[in-house]
Amino acid sequence: AQKVTQAQTEISVVEKEDVTLDCVYETRDTTYYLFWYKQPPSGELVFLIRRNSFDEQNEISGRYSWNFQKSTSSFNFTITASQVVDSAVYFCALKTVSSGSARQLTFGSGTQLTVLP
Amino acid sequence: AAGVIQSPRHLIKEKRETATLKCYPIPRHDTVYWYQQGPGQDPQFLISFYEKMQSDKGSIPDRFSAQQFSDYHSELNMSSLELGDSALYFCASSLVRGSPRNQETQYFGPGTRLLVL
Repeated sequence: AQKVTQAQTEISVVEKEDVTLDCVYETRDTTYYLFWYKQPPSGELVFLIRRNSFDEQNEISGRYSWNFQKSTSSFNFTITASQVVDSAVYFCALKTVSSGSARQLTFGSGTQLTVLP
Repeated sequence: AAGVIQSPRHLIKEKRETATLKCYPIPRHDTVYWYQQGPGQDPQFLISFYEKMQSDKGSIPDRFSAQQFSDYHSELNMSSLELGDSALYFCASSLVRGSPRNQETQYFGPGTRLLVL
């Protein structure tokens, strides 16, 4: 069975601060995929990033960066120079690849990020 | 780029009524997923279809059924509605055919907000 834990329920920062959202996952599979989705107040789920378990290279994309650490089963997400429009619920999600396993996503409970002006 | 389309966006029903939610996947995507997100909760997987056949089943109540049609659109049918069915229902689509090692990304629609009175 797989599990995703987002220990931070709510985070508030002031605009232009950097903020890191934590995600810890559990799976027995050796091949799996991790995702971050953003859910703004309007409700839609927006795909942000996917990382493969066999690729530990971390990335930076504009103001977003990701830190994937297999040794600690963590997949943290950082927003640099946060903006008010970044205010949303951020979900970390896991998908595994074992034979017969389903393709559905297992989500964490989400972190509500509020960026204050 | 075309996204996942869901209709209706909002729906109000009374207890014991029925509801039908529709999903139109991204063009050329072959897989559709349905998720239910209760207030303040993370999305929970209900059911998925690949090439018009049911592929996986999650925590979908027996009162609900779904199918995928020849044009790849999908419908979620909900009968004997209960107050607890009030939630945001997401449809997601992905392209599984030709996707190596199960690594396809699910793209979500804007959701249908169902309120059962």
